[in-house]
Amino acid sequence: QKEVEQNSGPLSVPEGAIASLNCTYSDRGSQSFFWYRQYSGKSPELIMSIYSNGDKEDGRFTAQLNKASQYVSLLIRDSQPSDSATYLCAVTRYTTSGTYKYIFGTGTRLKVLA
Amino acid sequence: SAVISQKPSRDICQRGTSLTIQCQVDSQVTMMFWYRQQPGQSLTLIATANQGSEATYESGFVIDKFPISRPNLTFSTLTVSNMSPEDSSIYLCSVGGEAGVYGYTFGSGTRLTVV
Repeated sequence: QKEVEQNSGPLSVPEGAIASLNCTYSDRGSQSFFWYRQYSGKSPELIMSIYSNGDKEDGRFTAQLNKASQYVSLLIRDSQPSDSATYLCAVTRYTTSGTYKYIFGTGTRLKVLA
Repeated sequence: SAVISQKPSRDICQRGTSLTIQCQVDSQVTMMFWYRQQPGQSLTLIATANQGSEATYESGFVIDKFPISRPNLTFSTLTVSNMSPEDSSIYLCSVGGEAGVYGYTFGSGTRLTVV
């Protein structure tokens, strides 16, 4: 089992619809969760972070966290063609030496159809 | 958030040669991270570079293959040594992620092709 799992997609949604991206993780000790957007040929860009169970909204983006079920999701409302990108989920994993690492999923490719 | 200048942006190299990638940050940072992203894959941490100490390498990555320098709090280099086609990848430096709480800022990446 991968530490962070995402459906690779592509997830295709029509313009104006809600895009729902999901991510599951295996380490129950993870405390911080992030969503990155990566356009083709570009580096990842942080778009959302969430630390507590529930929803966190920022503009058209809503991150949802459920630690009991070990999943985190990203909703994009009013999807635009410019949202077409790969979305990477990342979670922290604390090591036995007291440091931490960020573990990335393989990403979900989103296509918003005009 | 920090701004990272990474270069070169891309290169095509002959097998057996080495390439050094540079990252310059516009502010002082304690830790810098080097990642590799192979085609269609996610980001894999190569090593963590702390100023004034040896880099910490992840499983599967060794210093002889990926030597790292961190001469000060704003600069780091990653060298890909004795390259083979399997090293063709995007290499990214990043900063941030303090205490495992904050997210990373990434450099623009170096797209390496080994022929």
